[in-house]
Amino acid sequence: DTAVSQTPKYLVTQMGNDKSIKCEQNLGHDTMYWYKQDSKKFLKIMFSYNNKELIINETVPNRFSPKSPDKAHLNLHINSLELGDSAVYFCASSRGGGYGYTFGSGTRLTVV
Amino acid sequence: LAKTTQPISMDSYEGQEVNITCSHNNIATNDYITWYQQFPSQGPRFIIQGYKTKVTNEVASLFIPADRKSSTLSLPRVSLSDTAVYYCLVGFGKLIFGQGTELSVKP
Repeated sequence: DTAVSQTPKYLVTQMGNDKSIKCEQNLGHDTMYWYKQDSKKFLKIMFSYNNKELIINETVPNRFSPKSPDKAHLNLHINSLELGDSAVYFCASSRGGGYGYTFGSGTRLTVV
Repeated sequence: LAKTTQPISMDSYEGQEVNITCSHNNIATNDYITWYQQFPSQGPRFIIQGYKTKVTNEVASLFIPADRKSSTLSLPRVSLSDTAVYYCLVGFGKLIFGQGTELSVKP
């Protein structure tokens, strides 16, 4: 009964490929996020959606495109993958405002 | 958004109380203070959140002075399984993670 689930857990792919990571939450939260954690362990926010509407779009290459078909899902599509995209990507959700986030277990992306 | 400063690492022994202090001099009026715990290969896990004074739950306590420019996470009687990275965040709606404090609990 996972609250925030991401698939796949591991993703190994070649440079130049296009890949997607899926995220689903069953908490009834209105807001979902994508974070990237690099090798130095810094967690950086990438995107945030509230009720399917994009509300935060940090300085992220436009090869990254989030899509939210409904408020329970936020997928991340990455075009033309580069070596520097290798990282762990975390999906999270919250009730919004000052409420705490619930994170998924992460997707480890390795670009070779 | 308020920037936070916390120690990069701390060591402790099983059974001790651990206090991790975070400074956030530029905290805004509507910012909450939230602490997360992250184990290797897992996503961050919410520990505790507060706005002012003291908050306590089954896992930890959070002490916030009146000026709110700092906060202290207190973990009572730590065990080996409390070895993790602890993040202090301030904000409302958009949480910016700092480098965190790597806590190592030894037997």
